[in-house]
Amino acid sequence: QLQLQESGPGLVKPSETLSLTCSVSGGSISSSSYYWGWIRQPPGKGLEWIGSIYYSGSTYYNPSLKSRVTIFVDTSKNQFSLKLSSVTAADTAVYYCARHNSGYDRYYYYYMDVWGKGTTVTVSS
Amino acid sequence: SSELTQDPAVSVALGQTVKITCQGDSLRSYYASWYQQKPGQAPILVIYGKNNRPSGIPDRFSGSSSGNTASLTITGAQAEDEADYYCNSRDSSGNPGVVFGGGTKLTVL
Repeated sequence: QLQLQESGPGLVKPSETLSLTCSVSGGSISSSSYYWGWIRQPPGKGLEWIGSIYYSGSTYYNPSLKSRVTIFVDTSKNQFSLKLSSVTAADTAVYYCARHNSGYDRYYYYYMDVWGKGTTVTVSS
Repeated sequence: SSELTQDPAVSVALGQTVKITCQGDSLRSYYASWYQQKPGQAPILVIYGKNNRPSGIPDRFSGSSSGNTASLTITGAQAEDEADYYCNSRDSSGNPGVVFGGGTKLTVL
C-alpha cells in the first residue's frame, strides 16, 4: 500500500527558506504513470496547489508561487522535496504531499489519490 | 489561472440527498475530482473522472457534470459525511497546473 510522509522543520523564520521532503513507501516514485505534488492549507482556509514533479524532473508550479518555489526529486531515495524561499507569515500552513493520477473518459481528468498526513509549518521569528 | 467556485456552506437533513456544486470554465474541458476533509485530517479522494469512486468510498457518493458545473451528490447523507468538500480540476487557462475550489462546509442536521 502506497504511503507518503512529509518531514521537515515545523518552524521557519521570516525571509528564510522552507524545506520539506516527502518520502514515498510501498511503491516507486519512478513510475511513469504519476506526477507527485505539494498542496498547502493555511489555518482555517482552503487547499492551494503549490506544484508538481515527474520522476524525470519535469515540473510545473502555481503561477502565484512560481518565483519562490522549487520542487525536485531524488529517485535513489524515493522521495521528492519542496523549497519555498523568502517566506512570510502568509506561508504558515499545513503542507501535504500527494500522488497525482490522471485518466480519460471523453474528457481528461486529474486527481490526487494518495495523500500524506500533512505537516504544519509556522513562519515566525 | 482558472478558478473553481463552490458554495461556502450547505446543510442537509440526516438521510436526505444533497448536491454540492463546483463551477468553472475548466470544467467544460476536464472532469472534476472531489475530496472530503474532516477536521485535523488530510483530504481523501471520494470521486474522480466521470463518476468513479475509489475503493472504500460508499456508493451514496456520486459525481456528475454539465457544462461548466460539476456536482457531488450524497444520497442518504450520514452523520459521518459532515465535512469540508473540495473540487479540483486541471487549469484550462494555459498553465499546466491544477486548481482547487474554495471548499464547501457540509453540515448534516
